[in-house]
Amino acid sequence: EPEVTQTPSHQVTQMGQEVILRCVPISNHLYFYWYRQILGQKVEFLVSFYNNEISEKSEIFDDQFSVERPDGSNFTLKIRSTKLEDSAMYFCASSEWETLSNYGYTFGSGTRLTVV
Amino acid sequence: AQKVTQAQTEISVVEKEDVTLDCVYETRDTTYYLFWYKQPPSGELVFLIRRNSFDEQNEISGRYSWNFQKSTSSFNFTITASQVVDSAVYFCALSDYFGSGGSNYKLTFGKGTLLTVNP
Repeated sequence: EPEVTQTPSHQVTQMGQEVILRCVPISNHLYFYWYRQILGQKVEFLVSFYNNEISEKSEIFDDQFSVERPDGSNFTLKIRSTKLEDSAMYFCASSEWETLSNYGYTFGSGTRLTVV
Repeated sequence: AQKVTQAQTEISVVEKEDVTLDCVYETRDTTYYLFWYKQPPSGELVFLIRRNSFDEQNEISGRYSWNFQKSTSSFNFTITASQVVDSAVYFCALSDYFGSGGSNYKLTFGKGTLLTVNP
């Protein structure tokens, strides 16, 4: 079964620091996503990315956030100056073109970000 | 706007009981996908099922079954003969679908139902 890989699994950072969360999507997928889940709450969409540009972003995804696909395999989420309220689980996901097979929308295992 | 409502915040059952998790959704799209994910205490999202809006057939996979009713905008999930390992948070999700030429399957999640199965 193909997997989306996220690193690190847990990151602790000081408020105001920059963090980069990394993801390796499934190789033949074309759409990439980041979602956030604050502890005990629902999973929320942050951003989708296709053809090297953002295709949609939510209100949460403000100027402090950016995404990049630097080398054709990795997909990164950068938070420029972390705040306490950025503490959450961040999930990466990828999906296929147009139709979804059973593995067509796959989430990584998440990165738990703790801002102190 | 997409919306998913999981009215049951927490459910507690005793092992071997059947349990149904409710999911009601709202969408203006005529084409969409519905999903169920399981989130165990370890935190990852485990894919359980995807159903497209064209297909209202119910589905059974082992002890799991899903009842999709477009007329009531519901996509309920039943676990038969529950086990302790079924204890987790279960999320229902809805994707919007922008059609051919570039499909962007943004998922809208419900708030989840915490299922606790006691021995």
